[in-house]
Amino acid sequence: QKEVEQNSGPLSVPEGAIASLNCTYSDRGSQSFFWYRQYSGKSPELIMFIYSNGDKEDGRFTAQLNKASQYVSLLIRDSQPSDSATYLCAAGGTSYGKLTFGQGTILTVHP
Amino acid sequence: DAEITQSPRHKITETGRQVTLACHQTWNHNNMFWYRQDLGHGLRLIHYSYGVHDTNKGEVSDGYSVSRSNTEDLPLTLESAASSQTSVYFCASSNDRGAETQYFGPGTRLLVL
Repeated sequence: QKEVEQNSGPLSVPEGAIASLNCTYSDRGSQSFFWYRQYSGKSPELIMFIYSNGDKEDGRFTAQLNKASQYVSLLIRDSQPSDSATYLCAAGGTSYGKLTFGQGTILTVHP
Repeated sequence: DAEITQSPRHKITETGRQVTLACHQTWNHNNMFWYRQDLGHGLRLIHYSYGVHDTNKGEVSDGYSVSRSNTEDLPLTLESAASSQTSVYFCASSNDRGAETQYFGPGTRLLVL
């Protein structure tokens, strides 16, 4: 069973802090990794993706990938209450176009 | 603007009835996907299509069917609705150059009584 695992949380951080969201995957054939944000009652929206080991930064968001450890993370700097949402990690690359999603981590940023 | 839409947004039906959920995208994407989302399970793939007349089963396809007669639409049919199919259903699409970069529709909340 190809799995993507996330801590369901909730993860609570104060406004202005760094939120760290983690994800592990079991299929070593996975080549690409995606982070989606989902507000309550809404659909998932893509935040960023990463293919190569190391860090990838986009504004306040940094994705980190370590293929040897089969570990992906998303850092959110200067967290804002508007970042409060469920964050979904997804892995792809083993079958054309298909993604395997984790169960999501609930993030709460409190003022 | 190009977009992906789903209808209805909310549906209540009875056990045993046939239900069809619509998904329509105007991005001209070849790849379309149907997921269900349940608490504790995340998004699970039901069916997907890589183009007209192509359909494939996902991990939770039992009790569901799809057909692809054109690029824009991938309707999802529940042949005989069951209470276990109460869920939120999302449609997504992607193009061939970034096949894994999927864009989601707004979702359909289905309640089977």
